[in-house]
Amino acid sequence: GAVVSQHPSRVICKSGTSVKIECRSLDFQATTMFWYRQFPKKSLMLMATSNEGSKATYEQGVEKDKFLINHASLTLSTLTVTSAHPEDSSFYICSARAISGRSRDTQYFGPGTRLTVL
Amino acid sequence: DQQVKQNSPSLSVQEGRISILNCDYTNSMFDYFLWYKKYPAEGPTFLISISSIKDKNEDGRFTVFLNKSAKHLSLHIVPSQPGDSAVYFCAASENNYGQNFVFGPGTRLSVLP
Repeated sequence: GAVVSQHPSRVICKSGTSVKIECRSLDFQATTMFWYRQFPKKSLMLMATSNEGSKATYEQGVEKDKFLINHASLTLSTLTVTSAHPEDSSFYICSARAISGRSRDTQYFGPGTRLTVL
Repeated sequence: DQQVKQNSPSLSVQEGRISILNCDYTNSMFDYFLWYKKYPAEGPTFLISISSIKDKNEDGRFTVFLNKSAKHLSLHIVPSQPGDSAVYFCAASENNYGQNFVFGPGTRLSVLP
């Protein structure tokens, strides 16, 4: 199956610093990648949809200046949490969906990144 | 308004028995459905999918049933194993490529040995 990786898997930072999380599709090209956030014992919350070569589309309530998304290539999307605060501590998960012809490919998820802001 | 609903937040089943996880949706434009399994501190893993042209899809111990008229689908796991204990998410999409799947809130399955 398709593999999506995330780096780092875990990061601890001080309040006020910025943190970059990378999401890579390892064996397929992903024209679209998605960024989710999951709070403890809660469902996945879609933050934004990232399309290669264009600006990300953010969900209502998600600050685009706070969560910077760049989809530089068909295999890489990055999420930068700027000026992180303790309330940004969460589990961030990316996913990628490959489009090939008329097939309905599955959305594949990365392993997630645990961010802890002190 | 939640377009994909999983009304049971949790379910406990004895090992060896059948687990049935339910999912309801409201958007009649949804035509493709998936089930994901998620362990704590890991990303969701794809389990099985079904297109609206089918009413059943089977893969090993996992079977998904779709009732379009009722806008309902279910995931059957038989026999259930302790390793199946996880959170299961139902997801749906319309016929629009590149768009995000809409996820349900998840059901936590506990398989008791």
